[in-house]
Formats: sequence, structure tokens, C-alpha cells
Amino acid sequence: DTEVTQTPKHLVMGMTNKKSLKCEQHMGHRAMYWYKQKAKKPPELMFVYSYEKLSINESVPSRFSPECPNSSLLNLHLHALQPEDSALYLCASSQGVIGGGYTFGSGTRLTVV
Amino acid sequence: AQSVTQLDSQVPVFEEAPVELRCNYSSSVSVYLFWYVQYPNQGLQLLLKYLSGSTLVKGINGFEAEFNKSQTSFHLRKPSVHISDTAEYFCAVSDPDFNKFYFGSGTKLNVKP
Repeated sequence: DTEVTQTPKHLVMGMTNKKSLKCEQHMGHRAMYWYKQKAKKPPELMFVYSYEKLSINESVPSRFSPECPNSSLLNLHLHALQPEDSALYLCASSQGVIGGGYTFGSGTRLTVV
Repeated sequence: AQSVTQLDSQVPVFEEAPVELRCNYSSSVSVYLFWYVQYPNQGLQLLLKYLSGSTLVKGINGFEAEFNKSQTSFHLRKPSVHISDTAEYFCAVSDPDFNKFYFGSGTKLNVKP
């Protein structure tokens, strides 16, 4: 299995809703990432988990809450989002070694109404 | 810190013509360089990467890139493009300390019949 699987593919949520994005990989990768991508922009790093511990938080608002239940799963819990949070949310994983490339999932298209 | 510059935001080209997408990086340390492709409403797919060794790197879908340390460039080339190559292309550099990626702003390749 050489894929990163993200669910759901599309999500529409209201500003008072609570929802979660899920990401799964079975490549034995020890680092997992959340990126946010706005239209016609490059991905922006949000969080990095290394060996199931949060190692980087790029000053993301607390309405985004990551969770890494085990080495294969990564969640992003969403609460009280704003319309400007609408974007493509990408999960990625890597071996966590220097020079290792990322494997990206196909993303969750989030729309906040 | 690293930075990546993709000079061309859009590159129009006719089918079967050659193409070069330009990427320059700035770093005072050794870097690892990558090209990713993103098709509409998809995640990012690794095209190729340079870690060390030969400066000419071959990737998937007939793409190749040349690492030029003196010019701090990593331009992507393809001798004959197809309509299916229409996509957004991102150059990225890896931070060797933290395994973070820094993406360029992207180049939209538009292949016309």
C-alpha cells in the first residue's frame, strides 16, 4: 500500500458545527503532516507529527485541533470555523528521514458556510 | 531558512512542444529538491527528487530536472508535452533539519492542442 487516504473528499459545514478530517497511511511512515491549500496557492504547512508526537504547529488557530491516535492515523478536528477557512486540506506522510519525500493524499475540499 | 522561487506563474505551450519550468532556490546549506504535480481537485504527486549524485534526475511521465548548484536552480523539462500534462507544478526544497518542505508559488502548465 503506497497511498495516503483522506476522508471525506468533500465537506460542507456551518460555522457552529464540529467535524473531523481523517487521514490514514500504511507505509510505515513515522511523520505525518496537515497542509492547507487555498485556490491557486501552494500548500501551507499547519502541523507536523513525528513518531505520533506533535513536533510543529505553525501558529494555527485553536479552532483546528490535530490528533494522532496511532502511527497510521491522523485526524484534524474542526470547530467554529470561519468562511475563510474554506480550502483544500491535504494530509501527507514521510519516512521522517532527511531528504525523504512526501506522499500526499488527494485532500478534503472543505467549504464553511 | 530556505525559499523557492518559481518565476513563471503560467506557461502556455502547444502539444508536442518542449517545455521548461523554472525553479530557483536560496539556501546556505545542502538541500534536497523536489517537483510535484497537482491535477485539478487532486492532491500532490511526486514527479522527481534530487537528493545527491547525478545532477540530471529523471522522473515519471517523461519529465526530468537538472540540479545546478552554482546557479541554485532546479528546472523541470519535458521534450514533448501532452494535453494530459496540463496541471499545476510545484517546486519544493526540503529543510534538512526539520524535514519541512518549502513550496514555490507554483506554475500552471497549459498545454494547447
